[in-house]
Amino acid sequence: GAVVSQHPSWVICKSGTSVKIECRSLDFQATTMFWYRQFPKQSLMLMATSNEGSKATYEQGVEKDKFLINHASLTLSTLTVTSAHPEDSSFYICSARQGSPEAFFGQGTRLTVV
Amino acid sequence: GESVGLHLPTLSVQEGDNSIINCAYSNSASDYFIWYKQESGKGPQFIIDIRSNMDKRQGQRVTVLLNKTVKHLSLQIAATQPGDSAVYFCAERAAGNKLTFGGGTRVLVKP
Repeated sequence: GAVVSQHPSWVICKSGTSVKIECRSLDFQATTMFWYRQFPKQSLMLMATSNEGSKATYEQGVEKDKFLINHASLTLSTLTVTSAHPEDSSFYICSARQGSPEAFFGQGTRLTVV
Repeated sequence: GESVGLHLPTLSVQEGDNSIINCAYSNSASDYFIWYKQESGKGPQFIIDIRSNMDKRQGQRVTVLLNKTVKHLSLQIAATQPGDSAVYFCAERAAGNKLTFGGGTRVLVKP
């Protein structure tokens, strides 16, 4: 299957700082990328849908000014957690889709805010 | 909104036995369903999918059954192996091409 790579795999940051997470589709061009958040022992919760060249569509309850998404090219989307706080600590996962309904997931990024 | 933290339901199965994981979905308009496997600290891995115009699909050691009447999806794993230990999620696609994930089931394979 197609490969989606996330970077970094884990990051620790100080409260109040911003963190950028990258999601790349390595062997295909992704028309749509999705960002999810997952708390321990819980399911994946969709945060936003990102289409190349247009603004992301955020799910209800997700602050767009806090979670900035940029989909600059067909192979790269970034999620920036601005002014991070300990409650933002979570596992963030992206997925990418080319055209088929199947979505391929990155390996996830563990964010810890201290 | 986000669910309150709960322990995942766990299915303990003896190595070599068959596993059946169940999932109830909510949206009768969903037209596509996927099963994912997630190992600790990793992203979900695609296992098998099925469209709403089918009721059964088989892969290698896995079978997905879809019952649209009762909005139920199941994943059967034949001859379960230690490497099958993971959390399994079903996902449904409805409007907007978005996937909605179920709560997940942890499978523990006992040697």
